[in-house]
Amino acid sequence: GAGVSQSPSNKVTEKGKDVELRCDPISGHTALYWYRQSLGQGLEFLIYFQGNSAPDKSGLPSDRFSAERTGGSVSTLTIQRTQQEDSAVYLCASSLGRSSPEKLFFGSGTQLSVL
Amino acid sequence: GEDVEQSLFLSVREGDSSVINCTYTDSSSTYLYWYKQEPGAGLQLLTYIFSNMDMKQDQRLTVLLNKKDKHLSLRIADTQTGDSAIYFCAESGGRRALTFGSGTRLQVQP
Repeated sequence: GAGVSQSPSNKVTEKGKDVELRCDPISGHTALYWYRQSLGQGLEFLIYFQGNSAPDKSGLPSDRFSAERTGGSVSTLTIQRTQQEDSAVYLCASSLGRSSPEKLFFGSGTQLSVL
Repeated sequence: GEDVEQSLFLSVREGDSSVINCTYTDSSSTYLYWYKQEPGAGLQLLTYIFSNMDMKQDQRLTVLLNKKDKHLSLRIADTQTGDSAIYFCAESGGRRALTFGSGTRLQVQP
Protein backbone atom coordinates (compact mmCIF):
# COMPACT_ATOMS: atom_id res chain seq x y z
CA GLY A 1 0.00 0.00 0.00
CA ALA A 2 0.94 3.66 -0.24
CA GLY A 3 3.20 5.22 2.33
CA VAL A 4 2.90 8.62 4.00
CA SER A 5 2.47 11.28 1.36
CA GLN A 6 3.37 14.94 1.84
CA SER A 7 2.71 17.88 -0.44
CA PRO A 8 4.15 20.01 -1.75
CA SER A 9 7.63 18.53 -1.72
CA ASN A 10 9.11 22.02 -2.02
CA LYS A 11 7.62 25.38 -1.15
CA VAL A 12 9.24 28.77 -1.61
CA THR A 13 7.42 31.70 -0.07
CA GLU A 14 7.99 35.31 0.84
CA LYS A 15 8.35 36.45 4.39
CA GLY A 16 4.96 37.37 5.84
CA LYS A 17 2.90 35.01 3.68
CA ASP A 18 0.87 32.08 5.02
CA VAL A 19 1.64 28.51 3.94
CA GLU A 20 -0.22 25.21 4.23
CA LEU A 21 1.55 21.86 4.24
CA ARG A 22 -0.41 18.67 3.71
CA CYS A 23 0.09 15.14 5.00
CA ASP A 24 -1.75 11.97 3.92
CA PRO A 25 -1.02 9.25 6.47
CA ILE A 26 -1.08 5.52 5.87
CA SER A 27 -4.66 4.27 5.81
CA GLY A 28 -5.70 2.89 9.18
CA HIS A 29 -3.01 4.71 11.14
CA THR A 30 -4.60 6.53 14.05
CA ALA A 31 -1.54 8.50 15.13
CA LEU A 32 -0.07 11.37 13.14
CA TYR A 33 2.97 13.47 13.95
CA TRP A 34 4.59 16.63 12.61
CA TYR A 35 8.30 17.23 13.13
CA ARG A 36 10.61 19.96 11.84
CA GLN A 37 14.17 19.35 10.71
CA SER A 38 16.37 22.42 10.39
CA LEU A 39 19.83 22.44 8.85
CA GLY A 40 22.27 21.14 11.42
CA GLN A 41 19.51 20.48 13.92
CA GLY A 42 17.76 17.31 14.91
CA LEU A 43 14.11 16.54 14.66
CA GLU A 44 12.00 19.02 16.56
CA PHE A 45 8.60 17.72 17.66
CA LEU A 46 5.72 20.01 16.69
CA ILE A 47 2.36 18.31 17.21
CA TYR A 48 0.88 14.84 17.71
CA PHE A 49 -2.64 13.59 16.95
CA GLN A 50 -3.88 10.30 18.41
CA GLY A 51 -7.34 9.16 17.39
CA ASN A 52 -10.07 11.39 18.77
CA SER A 53 -7.97 12.63 21.69
CA ALA A 54 -7.02 16.28 22.01
CA PRO A 55 -3.77 16.81 20.08
CA ASP A 56 -0.50 17.34 21.90
CA LYS A 57 0.49 20.81 20.70
CA SER A 58 3.34 21.24 23.16
CA GLY A 59 5.98 21.45 20.43
CA LEU A 60 4.48 24.25 18.35
CA PRO A 61 7.07 27.08 18.48
CA SER A 62 4.63 30.00 18.33
CA ASP A 63 0.96 30.84 17.81
CA ARG A 64 1.72 31.34 14.11
CA PHE A 65 1.78 27.55 13.83
CA SER A 66 -1.38 25.46 13.85
CA ALA A 67 -2.44 22.05 12.60
CA GLU A 68 -5.63 20.18 12.11
CA ARG A 69 -6.55 16.66 11.21
CA THR A 70 -9.84 16.22 9.44
CA GLY A 71 -11.82 13.00 9.71
CA GLY A 72 -8.97 11.29 11.48
CA SER A 73 -6.97 11.14 8.27
CA VAL A 74 -5.41 14.02 6.31
CA SER A 75 -3.59 16.69 8.28
CA THR A 76 -2.69 20.25 7.38
CA LEU A 77 0.04 22.25 9.09
CA THR A 78 -0.45 26.00 8.67
CA ILE A 79 2.20 28.61 9.27
CA GLN A 80 0.95 32.18 9.31
CA ARG A 81 3.09 35.26 8.59
CA THR A 82 6.12 33.12 7.77
CA GLN A 83 9.54 34.19 8.99
CA GLN A 84 12.97 33.25 7.63
CA GLU A 85 13.64 31.10 10.69
CA ASP A 86 10.68 28.92 9.65
CA SER A 87 12.78 27.61 6.74
CA ALA A 88 13.22 23.88 7.34
CA VAL A 89 12.07 20.45 6.23
CA TYR A 90 8.68 19.63 7.71
CA LEU A 91 8.26 15.90 8.21
CA CYS A 92 5.02 14.07 8.81
CA ALA A 93 4.79 10.55 10.21
CA SER A 94 2.01 8.16 11.06
CA SER A 95 1.72 5.02 13.14
CA LEU A 96 -0.86 2.53 14.34
CA GLY A 97 -0.81 4.41 17.63
CA ARG A 98 -1.01 3.07 21.18
CA SER A 99 1.08 0.07 20.17
CA SER A 100 4.36 -1.10 21.57
CA PRO A 101 6.82 -0.67 20.06
CA GLU A 102 5.52 2.40 18.26
CA LYS A 103 6.80 2.28 14.71
CA LEU A 104 6.63 5.57 12.84
CA PHE A 105 6.42 5.75 9.07
CA PHE A 106 7.71 9.04 7.68
CA GLY A 107 6.92 10.95 4.53
CA SER A 108 9.68 12.51 2.45
CA GLY A 109 8.97 15.93 3.87
CA THR A 110 8.20 19.41 2.60
CA GLN A 111 11.23 21.66 2.14
CA LEU A 112 10.04 25.15 3.09
CA SER A 113 12.16 28.14 2.09
CA VAL A 114 11.14 31.58 3.32
CA LEU A 115 12.82 34.39 1.41
CA GLY B 1 18.04 21.06 27.21
CA GLU B 2 17.81 18.12 24.85
CA ASP B 3 16.33 14.87 26.09
CA VAL B 4 18.34 12.79 23.62
CA GLU B 5 21.93 13.59 22.63
CA GLN B 6 24.18 12.23 19.91
CA SER B 7 27.50 13.15 18.39
CA LEU B 8 27.03 14.88 15.05
CA PHE B 9 29.47 13.11 12.76
CA LEU B 10 31.29 9.81 12.30
CA SER B 11 33.62 8.80 9.49
CA VAL B 12 34.75 5.20 8.94
CA ARG B 13 36.38 3.18 6.19
CA GLU B 14 34.39 0.62 4.22
CA GLY B 15 34.58 -2.77 5.92
CA ASP B 16 35.23 -1.33 9.38
CA SER B 17 32.69 -1.35 12.20
CA SER B 18 30.79 1.83 13.05
CA VAL B 19 29.58 2.66 16.53
CA ILE B 20 27.04 5.43 16.98
CA ASN B 21 26.30 6.53 20.54
CA CYS B 22 23.31 8.15 22.16
CA THR B 23 22.36 9.28 25.66
CA TYR B 24 18.85 9.93 26.87
CA THR B 25 17.29 11.26 30.04
CA ASP B 26 13.82 9.71 30.34
CA SER B 27 14.17 6.62 32.53
CA SER B 28 10.54 5.68 31.87
CA SER B 29 11.21 4.99 28.19
CA THR B 30 9.79 1.59 27.28
CA TYR B 31 11.48 1.28 23.93
CA LEU B 32 14.47 2.93 22.34
CA TYR B 33 14.77 3.21 18.59
CA TRP B 34 17.26 3.76 15.81
CA TYR B 35 16.05 5.43 12.62
CA LYS B 36 18.00 5.96 9.39
CA GLN B 37 17.60 8.91 7.03
CA GLU B 38 19.05 8.70 3.54
CA PRO B 39 19.57 11.90 1.51
CA GLY B 40 16.31 13.54 0.43
CA ALA B 41 14.16 10.99 2.22
CA GLY B 42 12.19 10.67 5.42
CA LEU B 43 13.30 8.53 8.31
CA GLN B 44 12.98 4.76 8.30
CA LEU B 45 12.90 2.57 11.37
CA LEU B 46 16.09 0.53 11.51
CA THR B 47 15.74 -1.33 14.78
CA TYR B 48 14.51 -0.95 18.35
CA ILE B 49 15.19 -2.43 21.76
CA PHE B 50 12.93 -3.03 24.73
CA SER B 51 14.16 -1.25 27.82
CA ASN B 52 14.47 -4.51 29.77
CA MET B 53 17.01 -5.86 27.31
CA ASP B 54 20.68 -4.96 27.19
CA MET B 55 21.50 -6.21 23.72
CA LYS B 56 19.76 -6.95 20.45
CA GLN B 57 21.38 -8.29 17.30
CA ASP B 58 19.88 -8.09 13.83
CA GLN B 59 22.21 -9.20 11.03
CA ARG B 60 24.95 -6.53 10.83
CA LEU B 61 23.33 -4.38 13.49
CA THR B 62 23.93 -4.69 17.23
CA VAL B 63 22.13 -2.45 19.71
CA LEU B 64 23.53 -2.13 23.22
CA LEU B 65 21.58 -0.54 26.05
CA ASN B 66 23.01 0.52 29.39
CA LYS B 67 19.91 1.49 31.29
CA LYS B 68 21.79 2.58 34.40
CA ASP B 69 23.81 5.13 32.43
CA LYS B 70 20.95 5.83 29.96
CA HIS B 71 23.31 5.08 27.10
CA LEU B 72 22.35 3.46 23.80
CA SER B 73 24.66 2.47 20.98
CA LEU B 74 24.29 1.12 17.46
CA ARG B 75 27.09 -0.95 16.00
CA ILE B 76 27.16 -1.62 12.27
CA ALA B 77 29.51 -4.44 11.31
CA ASP B 78 31.30 -4.47 7.94
CA THR B 79 30.11 -0.95 7.13
CA GLN B 80 29.28 -0.39 3.46
CA THR B 81 29.03 2.81 1.41
CA GLY B 82 25.26 2.25 1.31
CA ASP B 83 25.23 2.72 5.09
CA SER B 84 26.13 6.39 4.64
CA ALA B 85 23.18 8.28 6.11
CA ILE B 86 22.04 10.15 9.20
CA TYR B 87 21.17 7.93 12.15
CA PHE B 88 18.73 9.11 14.79
CA CYS B 89 18.10 7.55 18.16
CA ALA B 90 14.70 8.09 19.72
CA GLU B 91 12.97 7.30 22.96
CA SER B 92 9.34 6.95 23.88
CA GLY B 93 8.07 8.10 27.23
CA GLY B 94 4.50 6.94 27.59
CA ARG B 95 1.76 8.68 25.63
CA ARG B 96 3.80 11.51 24.21
CA ALA B 97 5.39 11.45 20.79
CA LEU B 98 8.84 10.02 20.21
CA THR B 99 11.73 12.31 21.11
CA PHE B 100 14.57 12.21 18.63
CA GLY B 101 18.23 13.09 18.99
CA SER B 102 20.01 15.50 16.69
CA GLY B 103 21.22 12.70 14.40
CA THR B 104 24.70 11.35 13.64
CA ARG B 105 25.89 11.70 10.07
CA LEU B 106 27.80 8.54 9.11
CA GLN B 107 30.23 8.91 6.25
CA VAL B 108 31.73 5.72 4.83
CA GLN B 109 34.98 6.17 2.94
CA PRO B 110 35.63 3.63 0.15
